[in-house]
Amino acid sequence: AQSVTQLGSHVSVSEGALVLLRCNYSSSVPPYLFWYVQYPNQGLQLLLKYTSAATLVKGINGFEAEFKKSETSFHLTKPSAHMSDAAEYFCAVSEDFGNEKLTFGTGTRLTIIP
Amino acid sequence: KAGVTQTPRYLIKTRGQQVTLSCSPISGHRSVSWYQQTPGQGLQFLFEYFSETQRNKGNFPGRFSGRQFSNSRSEMNVSTLELGDSALYLCASSLAGSSGGPGELFFGEGSRLTVL
Repeated sequence: AQSVTQLGSHVSVSEGALVLLRCNYSSSVPPYLFWYVQYPNQGLQLLLKYTSAATLVKGINGFEAEFKKSETSFHLTKPSAHMSDAAEYFCAVSEDFGNEKLTFGTGTRLTIIP
Repeated sequence: KAGVTQTPRYLIKTRGQQVTLSCSPISGHRSVSWYQQTPGQGLQFLFEYFSETQRNKGNFPGRFSGRQFSNSRSEMNVSTLELGDSALYLCASSLAGSSGGPGELFFGEGSRLTVL
């Protein structure tokens, strides 16, 4: 069965510092992997999606993630944190073809320190 | 282009009652999925509808049901409400990529249900 594990339920970084949010996946087949962001009192918004076309995926708002099969990881990074990045981030996996079911991680709340 | 619209945004019910939540997807999107979000369990997949047919279902009791209409609008119903059903219920729509892999989900802002 597919699953994702997000290490660290809370991460704090200083404004301008590197953001690194960790995600490891478990899948019996090559997966589709996603990062979503949720701002307070809002739904989720897609940051980026891995579909095997390239191991380094660039998303919106300066975020990117690298798929590493040997480490079963899909960590999210951003070189320089901005105050507006404060939100909750969810990693998700899908190995189902023909439907839209995603399995989400438990989320990481990112706090930006001024 | 209008986003995914969920109604109502907030509602309070008592145990034993039932509730119906509505979701209007983005125009042209044929797939609608529902998720339950709680602090303890996180985001849990409820079900997905595509062209009025339930295509996939999560591990929820039969009290949770849904349907999709010919205009792709969807409703979910929870009967005999329990305290544990208090949650944010999120609806998401997608184009449902023809390549077979999952597409991008566009989420609504959710319906926050409180069961007293």
